[in-house]
Amino acid sequence: RKEVEQDPGPFNVPEGATVAFNCTYSNSASQSFFWYRQDCRKEPKLLMSVYSSGNEDGRFTAQLNRASQYISLLIRDSKLSDSATYLCVVENYGQNFVFGPGTRLSVLP
Amino acid sequence: DGGITQSPKYLFRKEGQNVTLSCEQNLNHDAMYWYRQDPGQGLRLIYYSQIVNDFQKGDIAEGYSVSREKKESFPLTVTSAQKNPTAFYLCASHEPISGYTFGSGTRLTVV
Repeated sequence: RKEVEQDPGPFNVPEGATVAFNCTYSNSASQSFFWYRQDCRKEPKLLMSVYSSGNEDGRFTAQLNRASQYISLLIRDSKLSDSATYLCVVENYGQNFVFGPGTRLSVLP
Repeated sequence: DGGITQSPKYLFRKEGQNVTLSCEQNLNHDAMYWYRQDPGQGLRLIYYSQIVNDFQKGDIAEGYSVSREKKESFPLTVTSAQKNPTAFYLCASHEPISGYTFGSGTRLTVV
């Protein structure tokens, strides 16, 4: 089993839709969690950290479920500019970050 | 503005050649990383350095070498031993509060 797994997609959704991605991780000792966004042929950029209590930033909401070992990203009112690949990143204590393979989102007009 | 600069943006390598990818940061971060990304795949760690004059192998270090003589610089050499070097290479630095900062990447193609 891979350490961090994501559905590769693509998720094709119309503008204005709500879409959610999950990311599962195998190491129960994982400590920190992040969502990164990567546009085509560009570098990844931090979208948001994921806190135990969940966190929201505008149209984006991130949740952590330690019991089931997954994190989620919810995007409300999707915009065309949200089209990108969303990478889940997990940090294990004393080790490096592990990147998921990414979930591709296409928001359609 | 602080950030990471990778050069060149595009690089073409002939079979059997060594090439060096540059990565410079002015963020004063101690930790620096090299990742490789293949089409449709996630990032795989090649090498990392937590401090000057020290570096460690990542998951796919074979055929690559690095140096960390200065805090600001972490060049990656792709040697002729790397049999499939065509990929997108990303350099990153890390700081606990702000997380990862990535350079804009180098696309290496073997011709």
